[in-house]
Amino acid sequence: DAGVTQSPTHLIKTRGQQVTLRCSPKSGHDTVSWYQQALGQGPQFIFQYYEEEERQRGNFPDRFSGHQFPNYSSELNVNALLLGDSALYLCASSGSETQYFGPGTRLLVL
Amino acid sequence: AQRVTQPEKLLSVFKGAPVELKCNYSYSGSPELFWYVQYSRQRLQLLLRHISRESIKGFTADLNKGETSFHLKKPFAQEEDSAMYYCALSTDSWGKLQFGAGTQVVVTP
Repeated sequence: DAGVTQSPTHLIKTRGQQVTLRCSPKSGHDTVSWYQQALGQGPQFIFQYYEEEERQRGNFPDRFSGHQFPNYSSELNVNALLLGDSALYLCASSGSETQYFGPGTRLLVL
Repeated sequence: AQRVTQPEKLLSVFKGAPVELKCNYSYSGSPELFWYVQYSRQRLQLLLRHISRESIKGFTADLNKGETSFHLKKPFAQEEDSAMYYCALSTDSWGKLQFGAGTQVVVTP
């Protein structure tokens, strides 16, 4: 089991563009959470998906949206990118308790 | 609102010396507290959680509800303990985590 995988590893976009990040959970996990980690800060919760529905959401604007597929993999979409969206985006999966994190996707918005 | 505070951004200790990473939280209910660690070039991983009351890699952490603290301690630091440490708080059964800003630990020989 490769654990939680994310793609791509790095991404460069310009302001106003849209981006899609992908996450495959650890085998057997049905819950996927997304976090944003700005430089020098701890991860901040964006939202969580379970049974293909957004179960809870952090304090992020509607430009941030997501999706979960029947195989439990997930996508994070960000529209109308701002410079401040530059960050490491982490995906975490869980079954019953412990969350396992992926390596992250580093997004740079120019 | 819930909040996790890690007052030290950087902690530099000598090998063999004790190390203590401070974590304070604000939450009026019954929280679940975690310590996550990120070694160089590795992903974020769970170090320990307060409900398990384990000692992992020589680290322990005790939840003090009176002082709303969950400090991480190790009596004798090792060079391989050099890493970024994050304290995290969960206040619901679905596992949403709120992280502190992290403490970089550097253990020098």
